[in-house]
Amino acid sequence: KNQVEQSPQSLIILEGKNCTLQCNYTVSPFSNLRWYKQDTGRGPVSLTIMTFSENTKSNGRYTATLDADTKQSSLHITASQLSDSASYICVVSQGRGSTLGRLYFGRGTQLTVWP
Amino acid sequence: DAMVIQNPRYQVTQFGKPVTLSCSQTLNHNVMYWYQQKSSQAPKLLFHYYDKDFNNEADTPDNFQSRRPNTSFCFLDIRSPGLGDAAMYLCATQTGGARGNEQFFGPGTRLTVL
Repeated sequence: KNQVEQSPQSLIILEGKNCTLQCNYTVSPFSNLRWYKQDTGRGPVSLTIMTFSENTKSNGRYTATLDADTKQSSLHITASQLSDSASYICVVSQGRGSTLGRLYFGRGTQLTVWP
Repeated sequence: DAMVIQNPRYQVTQFGKPVTLSCSQTLNHNVMYWYQQKSSQAPKLLFHYYDKDFNNEADTPDNFQSRRPNTSFCFLDIRSPGLGDAAMYLCATQTGGARGNEQFFGPGTRLTVL
């Protein structure tokens, strides 16, 4: 069964601290993996996209890693800010070739940054 | 500059009263999606259009319909909203033909059913 599991479900950290969010998936065939940030009441915004051959990608203070062998990904947030408080969603795209891949969404990790 | 626009941002309707949600895009993308997202849950795909081709998910209720009159616009019609249809509705677009392409999401419409 194609699934995306995220942990932890929620996380509270102090401003300025680092944190790491986890994503495990069983989607096959694998196309790419995306991390989105979703602020409360808003649509998801893309942070990173990684294909099979990429094992790390950065976007400012966000760094995503991918281990396609173990089917695991992580999102590391450095020097957290209050504005990082949001839900972080891991999304895995299924498919091969040029076909439009189906997306499988994790339930997200709710991150709260306290001052 | 807004790329995927959803209107209205908040919609209140009565039980059983039809409602239409709107999505427009300035990206000229082939594909437009509608998702339903309930609190603390992952978005659930309802259907998508690849150009003019409509693709319905197997478990999308008949109560939900969609129209895409042109490339830029896509509508979600809920014929007889029930209390269980209260949710955030997200529209997303993607350039078709390349599986690695990103989906761009709109800000969502929060639907309340009274």
